[in-house]
Amino acid sequence: QVQLQESGPGLVKPSGTLSLTCAVSGGSISSSDWWNWVRQSPGKGLEWIGQIYHTGSTNYNPSLSSRVTISVDKSKNQFSLRLSSVTAADTAVYYCARQQSATTSLDYWGQGTLVTVSS
Amino acid sequence: QSVLTQPPSVSGAPGQRVTISCSGSSSNIGAGHDVHWLQQLPGTAPKRLIYNNNNRPSGVPDRFSGSKSGTSASLAITGLQAEDEADYYCQSYDSSLSAYVFGSGTKVTVL
Repeated sequence: QVQLQESGPGLVKPSGTLSLTCAVSGGSISSSDWWNWVRQSPGKGLEWIGQIYHTGSTNYNPSLSSRVTISVDKSKNQFSLRLSSVTAADTAVYYCARQQSATTSLDYWGQGTLVTVSS
Repeated sequence: QSVLTQPPSVSGAPGQRVTISCSGSSSNIGAGHDVHWLQQLPGTAPKRLIYNNNNRPSGVPDRFSGSKSGTSASLAITGLQAEDEADYYCQSYDSSLSAYVFGSGTKVTVL
């Protein structure tokens, strides 16, 4: 059973950089799956941020691509998100999720972590 | 504004059947991209409910079923139960946006 766990600061200052890590257990990040970040603003719907493959190949949501970097650390079986120049609009619960190979379905999700952008 | 449109809410009495629609366009559902459904119970992370239009993962009751036609998809819940009260989201891929997209979400209330 694959498990994902997000970690990182819960408070980030405006114009700063949001950094989160997703630890993967019960499976290898070097499998044939893609690893994703999704966010949910308070009381709102879900927004896909981007994804990474274990080779380092990435795909980003064009609406966020200028501010997003996703990286992978195979030695630690984890992947990370960096979102720069944050504003209050980036306040959200951030989830990491696995995209099952050969489909576009997100099958395993982390519990999510709330990041608030405030001074 | 979500790319995939869902009704904000649906409701039904215990035991009834409810359906949730997911309306897309020729660049996502209509382009042949698969539709998946997620269930989000209050205060929890989304959970996969239906994948690849009409497939149920192990452990998901057969009361839940999905379908897809043209530029739309639907999720049906038969024999509605109190534990089904949750938010439901459809998800697909959009070729024009080059992004994975979600529906606006539907809150199911059991009367």
